[in-house]
Amino acid sequence: DGGITQSPKYLFRKEGQNVTLSCEQNLNHDAMYWYRQDPGQGLRLIYYSQIVNDFQKGDIAEGYSVSREKKESFPLTVTSAQKNPTAFYLCASSTDRGVINEQFFGPGTRLTVL
Amino acid sequence: DAKTTQPNSMESNEEEPVHLPCNHSTISGTDYIHWYRQLPSQGPEYVIHGLTSNVNNRMASLAIAEDRKSSTLILHRATLRDAAVYYCILRDVRQAGTALIFGKGTTLSVSS
Repeated sequence: DGGITQSPKYLFRKEGQNVTLSCEQNLNHDAMYWYRQDPGQGLRLIYYSQIVNDFQKGDIAEGYSVSREKKESFPLTVTSAQKNPTAFYLCASSTDRGVINEQFFGPGTRLTVL
Repeated sequence: DAKTTQPNSMESNEEEPVHLPCNHSTISGTDYIHWYRQLPSQGPEYVIHGLTSNVNNRMASLAIAEDRKSSTLILHRATLRDAAVYYCILRDVRQAGTALIFGKGTTLSVSS
């Protein structure tokens, strides 16, 4: 089945450590996105990529980094520079054409910094 | 993308219809109205979208005001599985491939 996978589902990290969250899609979508969600809040955009080897900062990119070496993969690294990294992280993808431009979301990774 | 305003929360009983309102007074002519919902501890999922005419699909109906400044997502018979946060989002058709802008949405509670 086509879809988006994120791993791991739960992640614990010690303060000061970098951690990389995985996101893979087999939908042949050009665009991929990373969002962060805090309790009781909507989603906020961290980074997005519309094509391989290119990506743009979202509203809250500080303390995060991404790469887009392959169309199907868009990993997110949470660095030690991110002041408050504990959150629910969601990856999404979409085609960059058409009216609907529906975004498909992965199941999310819940990161907790100890 | 233009902003939307939704109530923070709504309650419903199972098997009853639910009308979730959304105001978008600054909508432009190229903005489509999209609805997504997020079940607890899951990623959001697409529900429905529309431009001017009312729309129906297997999940819900979307009623759009004649002046397009408001819309209503209609769940015809709420079930316990419909308890979720519902987001009303405007998307400019010229901006395909850009990120969605999520507000806080409406938290729908469904009682048996």
